[in-house]
Amino acid sequence: DQQVKQNSPSLSVQEGRISILNCDYTNSMFDYFLWYKKYPAEGPTFLISISSIKDKNEDGRFTVFLNKSAKHLSLHIVPSQPGDSAVYFCAASALRTSYDKVIFGPGTSLSVIP
Amino acid sequence: GAVVSQHPSWVICKSGTSVKIECRSLDFQATTMFWYRQFPKQSLMLMATSNEGSKATYEQGVEKDKFLINHASLTLSTLTVTSAHPEDSSFYICSAREGGYTEAFFGQGTRLTVV
Repeated sequence: DQQVKQNSPSLSVQEGRISILNCDYTNSMFDYFLWYKKYPAEGPTFLISISSIKDKNEDGRFTVFLNKSAKHLSLHIVPSQPGDSAVYFCAASALRTSYDKVIFGPGTSLSVIP
Repeated sequence: GAVVSQHPSWVICKSGTSVKIECRSLDFQATTMFWYRQFPKQSLMLMATSNEGSKATYEQGVEKDKFLINHASLTLSTLTVTSAHPEDSSFYICSAREGGYTEAFFGQGTRLTVV
């Protein structure tokens, strides 16, 4: 059973526009969420995170929104740049419990078109 | 961000041999390390979680006798693929997390090809 879901396998966005990547989770014990960016044949790079006590976290062009009641989070990238083209993974962890794991979603491949 | 170094970045081995992959945290002490496997066009699948000085916790379906994990120090974890077979060919990635911090930082990954 997939605990972290990213239902859009791919997304294409025009340069300069906003990219919105979505993520849903099923385990209510998750209390910390992360977004990673990954290029082929490389390890994921940490982008931004959010704790369940917040509903928004912003870092430069990246903003993550969390809706706990809906078990949904999203990553907004604005403005999108061609260098943002990569696979984006949503990940979740349950820090307040002994569930000391980072579980990844299947990823969304973002293409930013110049 | 913190640096995690994974070595080697790629390896080709013969079927039946063993391969060791190292994961080092270079500028922090990693109390917890994770090992993932990624098949082409698929997500990162968690194989096991290891805490320094204790046995690794393997995910369901992962053979602990085949994928030996050692986390002997706060900066080094190793994954040994024993008696490798072609179906073990994959991209293996480690990550490390420092106690008190919550981001997990990743190594560059190791492309294993078993022939």
